[in-house]
Amino acid sequence: QSVLTQPPSVSGAPGQRVTISCTGSRSNIGAGYDVHWYRQLPGTAPKLLIYGNNNRPSGVPDRFSGSQSGTSASLAITGLQAEDEADYYCQSHDSSLYVFVFGTGTRVSVL
Amino acid sequence: QVTLKESGPTLVKPTQTLTLTCTFSGFSLSTSGVAVGWFRQPPGKALEWLAMIFWNDDKRYTPSLKTRLTITKDTSKNQVVLTMTNMDPVDTATYYCAHFNTIFGVAGGWFDPWGQGTLVTVSS
Repeated sequence: QSVLTQPPSVSGAPGQRVTISCTGSRSNIGAGYDVHWYRQLPGTAPKLLIYGNNNRPSGVPDRFSGSQSGTSASLAITGLQAEDEADYYCQSHDSSLYVFVFGTGTRVSVL
Repeated sequence: QVTLKESGPTLVKPTQTLTLTCTFSGFSLSTSGVAVGWFRQPPGKALEWLAMIFWNDDKRYTPSLKTRLTITKDTSKNQVVLTMTNMDPVDTATYYCAHFNTIFGVAGGWFDPWGQGTLVTVSS
């Protein structure tokens, strides 16, 4: 069961900006635990997109950015491109369960 | 370069025990701070963290499956093995392993990279 809630889908036209929310609670994001984001292309394994709330691994374009505030986090994609169509997941740590938790996942569609 | 690859049966019968092996390269599980995690993803559903083993043999399990899971490591073979007992059709999923990065501490860690995953179907 997912402890972090994300919208099932978001969409935008090429070039637009979209944001994906990740809502947690006081035992995970609200407790100050870092949020990380993964992108999963169809039929492939997840790939790290953002770590430590707003850090991009080498090779990830600066069109992707993360933020965190209170019990929620967000992933923003600017200059939306067709290749951005994928599922996106947030991940954090939950102190009440001492587990690593994932979001429910968001499918991004480019119109 | 860090790589991981999962292996194991593609089909198991209900009530059987599943054994999956994660074979990795590019790092050692005897190095302080290193860990490997296991995850699963049922078809069309979200990712779920299952278990993790650390360089010091510390082990963590997701509470809902703790009684069914066992994670072990073979440092000499660069392998991590996950066993899940009493398999049920609802356990049908793609199972992944991944390297855990602890630069920001264990609670702030993230998983990168991931193996390609292996689809396990539970059916009689």
